[in-house]
Amino acid sequence: QKEVEQDPGPLSVPEGAIVSLNCTYSNSAFQYFMWYRQYSRKGPELLMYTYSSGNKEDGRFTAQVDKSSKYISLFIRDSQPSDSATYLCAMIKRGAQKLVFGQGTRLTINP
Amino acid sequence: DTAVSQTPKYLVTQMGNDKSIKCEQNLGHDTMYWYKQDSKKFLKIMFSYNNKELIINETVPNRFSPKSPDKAHLNLHINSLELGDSAVYFCASSLGTVSNEQYFGPGTRLTVT
Repeated sequence: QKEVEQDPGPLSVPEGAIVSLNCTYSNSAFQYFMWYRQYSRKGPELLMYTYSSGNKEDGRFTAQVDKSSKYISLFIRDSQPSDSATYLCAMIKRGAQKLVFGQGTRLTINP
Repeated sequence: DTAVSQTPKYLVTQMGNDKSIKCEQNLGHDTMYWYKQDSKKFLKIMFSYNNKELIINETVPNRFSPKSPDKAHLNLHINSLELGDSAVYFCASSLGTVSNEQYFGPGTRLTVT
């Protein structure tokens, strides 16, 4: 079993829809949680970063962490075709030096 | 200005050859990484250097050898290439060794035939 599980999709939704992307993890030592966005043929770029449980909002994006359930989510409101990309969750243990990535979910927003 | 750059962008080569990929960052970061992304988009760390010192060395065949001539550069040399080495290799950098925020290069798509 992988430390971080993420449904690879693909996920296809109409423009304007609310998108929910999720990851589960098995190790309770993870303390920092990130979402990276990767456009086709490009490197991943950091989208959101949260520490421990709770919500964090940045424009149309909301990252949510539920440590009791070992579950993290990324919500995209008013989705746009330009949001079409692969979204990778990543997490790291306190004091560790290694990011552990989920497999990534491929998202397509249809105009 | 490109923050993290890699060369070459594409690399097609035959089994058994030796090849190198170069990475440079102009962000003033002191930690650099090599990742391998397979065909299923799974991104896995291979190596990490902090100020030219190796700090992460995952279970990677010793045909792969990283080299950091200075903290702005991290190169990856691969000997005796195998079909299974075909993947996209990403270089990344971060400030400090607690790598919450990493900046990735555009990737090098390696195809071994």
